[in-house]
Amino acid sequence: GNSVTQMQGQVTLSEEEFLFINCTYSTTGYPTLFWYVQYPGEGPQLLLKVTTANNKGSSRGFEATYDKGTTSFHLQKASVQESDSAVYYCVRGTGGYKVVFGSGTRLLVSP
Amino acid sequence: EAAVTQSPRNKVAVTGGKVTLSCNQTNNHNNMYWYRQDTGHGLRLIHYSYGAGSTEKGDIPDGYKASRPSQENFSLILELATPSQTSVYFCASGGTGGGSAETLYFGSGTRLTVL
Repeated sequence: GNSVTQMQGQVTLSEEEFLFINCTYSTTGYPTLFWYVQYPGEGPQLLLKVTTANNKGSSRGFEATYDKGTTSFHLQKASVQESDSAVYYCVRGTGGYKVVFGSGTRLLVSP
Repeated sequence: EAAVTQSPRNKVAVTGGKVTLSCNQTNNHNNMYWYRQDTGHGLRLIHYSYGAGSTEKGDIPDGYKASRPSQENFSLILELATPSQTSVYFCASGGTGGGSAETLYFGSGTRLTVL
């Protein structure tokens, strides 16, 4: 079936540290993959989107690579800021009208 | 910039009462969605629609109805609200075509408390 797994419930970092958030997806087809970010009091918003055509996406210093071999789509950032504190969702398309959200990873960045 | 507006922002309801959550989008998107967000569960799909007049069941539709009277509006209806429906509800729109490769645009959410 269609599923997304985020094993890290929370990641705590200091400013300027390297960020790595793990995401793996089920192997049904070659879905479009997304990372959404949700700031407190707001709805989720698109951070970046990657298809099999482009393989890698980047936005606001964040990067994610579509790895079909390991069925992973990890999110990385070289140097986080306090303003990056939010919940990050890994999301996959299903080929139909729905998408599937991972359980989310809360990032806390201290100054 | 896509705009999705939800109302009300906050709602307190009594058990057994009827609750209607409203969503309006101004981007001419075909697809609209209702999610609920609870700690430990992330975002779960309740109902969705791929155009005016259509509603489809999502992953957790029990206890909810949906209505899509126009391209712009999509409502979520709780006919008999229960405390287990206390949650934050998000509406989203996405896509002028079909398919789940489209970006979703979310509203700011409605916090519903059922006493």
